[in-house]
Amino acid sequence: DADVTQTPRNRITKTGKRIMLECSQTKGHDRMYWYRQDPGLGLRLIYYSFDVKDINKGEISDGYSVSRQAQAKFSLSLESAIPNQTALYFCATSGSTGRDIQYFGAGTRLSVL
Amino acid sequence: GDSVTQMEGPVTLSEEACLTINCTYTATGYPSLFWYVQYPGEGLQLLLKATKADDKGSNKGFEATYRKETTSFHLEKGSVQVSDSAVYFCALSQGGSEKLVFGKGTKLTVNP
Repeated sequence: DADVTQTPRNRITKTGKRIMLECSQTKGHDRMYWYRQDPGLGLRLIYYSFDVKDINKGEISDGYSVSRQAQAKFSLSLESAIPNQTALYFCATSGSTGRDIQYFGAGTRLSVL
Repeated sequence: GDSVTQMEGPVTLSEEACLTINCTYTATGYPSLFWYVQYPGEGLQLLLKATKADDKGSNKGFEATYRKETTSFHLEKGSVQVSDSAVYFCALSQGGSEKLVFGKGTKLTVNP
């Protein structure tokens, strides 16, 4: 089984809908991250969390929210999806040692129509 | 702020050709430098890293040397294989920080 699991892998939704992307990890890491990947733009950080009680905004947090339900689970929500949120979303984790090495899930491809 | 610039792709090579993907950075201090690889349909995974000037990171036949004088960290491989087809990302972090700054990625396709 994958160490970092994202669900769903693909999702199509309509403008204005609320949607949640989920991430779970079995690596025992305390740090978790959400990124989005757009063609030609690389990866951009949306939110990150150092532990259950610590949530931080990244580079592009507007229009997104997150929830750290447990050390192993970190969810990303789009409260009211819009077409320019169509992208590939990645969850990643890192440990308190070697914290600059991140481990990524396989991604969720989201299309907002 | 810190930034990473890597060569535009896509790059298409024949099997056994030599590969260089250029990466330069702008950062204060002494960042750590990384190459991540994303195989089709998968998430990113660390390929190699270097933490100080003149360090050479290596893995799976790939190498990159941290050049502070030219602020570069070019990825090289002497003989590519079809299985190397992927998107390669250069990245940096400051002082072991968990916040990574990524380049835009370079897609490599290796033909038989």
